[in-house]
Amino acid sequence: GAVVSQHPSRVICKSGTSVKIECRSLDFQATTMFWYRQFPKQSLMLMATSNEGSKATYEQGVEKDKFLINHASLTLSTLTVTSAHPEDSSFYICSARLRAGGMTGELFFGEGSRLTVL
Amino acid sequence: AQTVTQSQPEMSVQEAETVTLSCTYDTSESNYYLFWYKQPPSRQMILVIRQEAYKQQNATENRFSVNFQKAAKSFSLKISDSQLGDTAMYFCAILYGGSQGNLIFGKGTKLSVKP
Repeated sequence: GAVVSQHPSRVICKSGTSVKIECRSLDFQATTMFWYRQFPKQSLMLMATSNEGSKATYEQGVEKDKFLINHASLTLSTLTVTSAHPEDSSFYICSARLRAGGMTGELFFGEGSRLTVL
Repeated sequence: AQTVTQSQPEMSVQEAETVTLSCTYDTSESNYYLFWYKQPPSRQMILVIRQEAYKQQNATENRFSVNFQKAAKSFSLKISDSQLGDTAMYFCAILYGGSQGNLIFGKGTKLSVKP
């Protein structure tokens, strides 16, 4: 299957700093990438939908100035957590959809990034 | 709005036995897809099985099969011959808005396979 790589897998930062997480589709082009947040023992909550070459669409309640998303190419989307605070500590997961869309709409997931803000 | 409900927070099964995980959903869409994803301790989301809503035939992937009841909006996952490696969180999900739409997850069921 298609491979999505997420980096870094773990990051620890000080409160007030910014952290960038990368999501790459390694062997396919992805016009759409999704960013999820997962709290411990909970489900994935969609944060935003990222389309190549256009502004991301954020879900209700997600601060777009806090969570900056850039989808500069068909293989790379980045999530930047700006001025991170301890409450931003979480597991962030990206997923990507094949450019052709596929008839099943299947999404391929990255390995996830564990953010800890001290 | 689309919702996905998994009513079993945790389940356990003995190795080699069969277990069924429940999932119900609600949507006003006519075109949608249903998925079961597995999230092992490594946290990597892995697709287990998919079902197109317009197909009446239940999907099957080796030891995994679904019971798709469209009228009842039910999409349960059956795991046969359970293996220790099946221990994971299982999430039911619906993708609506056609193949370019969004994926909405249920809260998940933690499955433990006991030796």
